[in-house]
Amino acid sequence: RKEVEQDPGPFNVPEGATVAFNCTYSNSASQSFFWYRQDCRKEPKLLMSVYSSGNEDGRFTAQLNRASQYISLLIRDSKLSDSATYLCVVNGELGGATNKLIFGTGTLLAVQP
Amino acid sequence: EPEVTQTPSHQVTQMGQEVILRCVPISNHLYFYWYRQILGQKVEFLVSFYNNEISEKSEIFDDQFSVERPDGSNFTLKIRSTKLEDSAMYFCASSEAWRANTEAFFGQGTRLTVV
Repeated sequence: RKEVEQDPGPFNVPEGATVAFNCTYSNSASQSFFWYRQDCRKEPKLLMSVYSSGNEDGRFTAQLNRASQYISLLIRDSKLSDSATYLCVVNGELGGATNKLIFGTGTLLAVQP
Repeated sequence: EPEVTQTPSHQVTQMGQEVILRCVPISNHLYFYWYRQILGQKVEFLVSFYNNEISEKSEIFDDQFSVERPDGSNFTLKIRSTKLEDSAMYFCASSEAWRANTEAFFGQGTRLTVV
């Protein structure tokens, strides 16, 4: 089983649509969870951290289900500028034995006018 | 806004040659990392570095790879004898601390092409 698994897409959606990305991770001891955004041939940039209680940042909502080892990202009212690859990222273990980031393969989103 | 800077942006080298990729992490950060991304594939961890020593490395980071912090600002990745399969985008990152949900900031990357 892959450490972090995502649907590679692409997701082609019209402007204004709501789109949801899902991710599963294999290490139940993982401690921190993130969504990063990567534009074509650019570096990954942090979109948001993901907390067990769920968190929202404007049009973006992230959820974490530790029991199912499942992370989600919801984008509402999508814009053309949201077109990018969305990376599910997991970090660390309980006890802090590691701080490396483990990336999923990413889900490509293309928002159409 | 502080940022991680990497040089060069693109490096072309012949197979078997040594390359050094350079990074300047954010000045008050203490933890430094190298990641790589082969074209069309996921970002992969190579190595983390703290207090002038490697704190963790992946299976990819074999004897051909080394890292160094030669002065107070630069952080370098050296590949001693490059192979075709080393062609990838190499990202340097730094973070302020080693705790949950600490953001790692990435540089813009160096695209290494081995011919």
